[in-house]
Amino acid sequence: QVQLQESGPGLVKPSETLSLTCTVSGGSMSNYYWNWIRQPPGKGLEWIGYIYYSGDTNYNPSLKSRVTISVDTSKKQFSLKLTSVTAADTAVYYCARATTVVSYFDLWGRGTLVTVSS
Amino acid sequence: DIVMTQSPDSLAVSLGERATFNCKSSQSVLYSSNNKNYLAWYQQKPGQPPKLLIYWASSRESGVPDRFSGRGSGTDFTLTISSLQAEDVAVYYCQQYYRTPQTFGQGTKVEIK
Repeated sequence: QVQLQESGPGLVKPSETLSLTCTVSGGSMSNYYWNWIRQPPGKGLEWIGYIYYSGDTNYNPSLKSRVTISVDTSKKQFSLKLTSVTAADTAVYYCARATTVVSYFDLWGRGTLVTVSS
Repeated sequence: DIVMTQSPDSLAVSLGERATFNCKSSQSVLYSSNNKNYLAWYQQKPGQPPKLLIYWASSRESGVPDRFSGRGSGTDFTLTISSLQAEDVAVYYCQQYYRTPQTFGQGTKVEIK
C-alpha cells in the first residue's frame, strides 16, 4: 500500500532554513495533492500548504512568505522549505495526501520532529 | 480563516459506554450546491499521526469500526463512539475543508474513567 516517509534534519538553528522531504512509496503521485501539516509539541494541527503532482501550489497565508513546496515526480518526492525559522516553528512535521484541492487527508506520514534551537 | 472549536477539551468515559464530543465552526461548512458538509474527524494516538475516521461529516473511512459515527450540519457537528474500547483512548480532531486554509479544532482528549 502507499506509504509516506518524512526525512530531514531534526535540529535547525534560528534564522536558518528548515528543509524536509517526503518520499512516496507503493503508489503513484499522479492526481493527488501532497501536503505538509505541522503540530507543535502538545498542541494542535496547522496546515502549511500543498503541491499538486503537476507543480501547482497553495500555501497557508500565515506562512506564505516563508514557505516553498516543490515536487520531483521522478523520485516520487516532494519537499518543504521554511525560511527564517524561530522557536515557534518547532513542531512535528507531517506529510499527507489529499484527493482534491481543499480536502481531508486520507494518508499521513509518521511525522518528523524538527527543533529550532541554537 | 474558519475557526473550529471543539468541546469538551477532555472527556473520561467508562469502557463500553458512549462517548460524544462536539465541533463547532465559525461559519457554515455546508456547500449548498451539493448539500455536503466539508467536515472530517481524525483520531490521534500518542506518538502517531492522525488517522482519518470520518469525512463529509458522516461518511466512515474504510476500515473504521462502525462504533464511530459522525453527524451534524452547517456549523455544529458531533462524533460519537457508541461503546468505548480501550484502544479508542486518543485525541480527536475535527477539520474543515470548505475553504482554504483548511483548519483544525484544538482536539478532545478521550480517556477511560
